[in-house]
Amino acid sequence: NAGVTQTPKFQVLKTGQSMTLQCAQDMNHEYMSWYRQDPGMGLRLIHYSVGAGITDQGEVPNGYNVSRSTTEDFPLRLLSAAPSQTSVYFCATKDRGPGEQFFGPGTRLTVL
Amino acid sequence: DAKTTQPNSMESNEEEPVHLPCNHSTISGTDYIHWYRQLPSQGPEYVIHGLTSNVNNRMASLAIAEDRKSSTLILHRATLRDAAVYYCILRDRGAGNMLTFGGGTRLMVKP
Repeated sequence: NAGVTQTPKFQVLKTGQSMTLQCAQDMNHEYMSWYRQDPGMGLRLIHYSVGAGITDQGEVPNGYNVSRSTTEDFPLRLLSAAPSQTSVYFCATKDRGPGEQFFGPGTRLTVL
Repeated sequence: DAKTTQPNSMESNEEEPVHLPCNHSTISGTDYIHWYRQLPSQGPEYVIHGLTSNVNNRMASLAIAEDRKSSTLILHRATLRDAAVYYCILRDRGAGNMLTFGGGTRLMVKP
């Protein structure tokens, strides 16, 4: 099992460009989420989904869109990249209940 | 949302036990206490979680105060690989049970 995979690993964008960060999981987990981590800081929740077709906003949703058409995939779209979105982005999954959350390896994004 | 308070950093010697404290005085009755750690340049990884009773697994032990307003993560014998940022987290029941991260404790392990 691959667990949680994220692509790309690294990305450089210019201000105003758009792009999609990919996240896929093979654990059949219902819950998926996106976090961002700025240097020296903890993770902040951007968007999350509790099942296919259902998404909701987290702590810092502005500038990002998500959709969840399948259980396996949860892409994060940056609509018009800004330097303030320079960060490391982590995707995570979990099953129902209070148990373990599984994180992907992250995507390091730089916006010039 | 219930918040946690942790020291910014701690130091330990290799092969000695480490006690990482966490205060969560506004915890609600059904909030689980989770601990995750993040090694350099990696995503967070699960360590342990509990509700009321002390918990043990192969990585660590979790001691929860009787009033649940504080907890302690115990690493029984620190290794150099345990150097990481340790996050004490209360499950955010309002956000689809997603985790809300604070600043964490940076643990440094000296050989």
